[in-house]
Amino acid sequence: QQQVKQSPQSLIVQKGGISIINCAYENTAFDYFPWYQQFPGKGPALLIAIRPDVSEKKEGRFTISFNKSAKQFSLHIMDSQPGDSATYFCAASRGAGSYQLTFGKGTKLSVIP
Amino acid sequence: ETGVTQTPRHLVMGMTNKKSLKCEQHLGHNAMYWYKQSAKKPLELMFVYSLEERVENNSVPSRFSPECPNSSHLFLHLHTLQPEDSALYLCASSQDFGSYEQYFGPGTRLTVT
Repeated sequence: QQQVKQSPQSLIVQKGGISIINCAYENTAFDYFPWYQQFPGKGPALLIAIRPDVSEKKEGRFTISFNKSAKQFSLHIMDSQPGDSATYFCAASRGAGSYQLTFGKGTKLSVIP
Repeated sequence: ETGVTQTPRHLVMGMTNKKSLKCEQHLGHNAMYWYKQSAKKPLELMFVYSLEERVENNSVPSRFSPECPNSSHLFLHLHTLQPEDSALYLCASSQDFGSYEQYFGPGTRLTVT
């Protein structure tokens, strides 16, 4: 019940296209859903996050869509650029004061020119 | 230095060696974390330290020993490791124990021979 399932494992998108990464969870106590971006040789960096009281959050070209009833959330990268090529991790956290982030296994995105 | 720094960035050690990983955060945070990142696996939380408490993942072997001398520094002492311990070890920090947003360092790539 603590798992976060992420798909696809890898993704190749043409420059200018839309990249979509999906995550699903089981634990209804999760109430914070961040996405992390990791470049080779670097640690993960917080990209964008959402709470379950909203269905969508947009920051620049990055949008999180959240479906509470389906227990799914997804990351959309609009107008994907080669500089977006990285590994993306979804995560979930349970309740205020919970230190523990449960991570998905990651999606390696390659944006080709 | 800004953010979260980790040294060394790469470490190769034999199974009988003793070594330590160092993490320093320059963000004024009060909680620090050690994670293990292995290929095709979710990030695994190993230890959490804050001013108030220390939390351990009970599945972490005793050959990993954390030390947190103050709120800015975190060490991971390693002894008699196994080849399967080879991984990227990431340090992270957050404002407080239980804060949602965690900031990661670049990691130490550990190879056990």
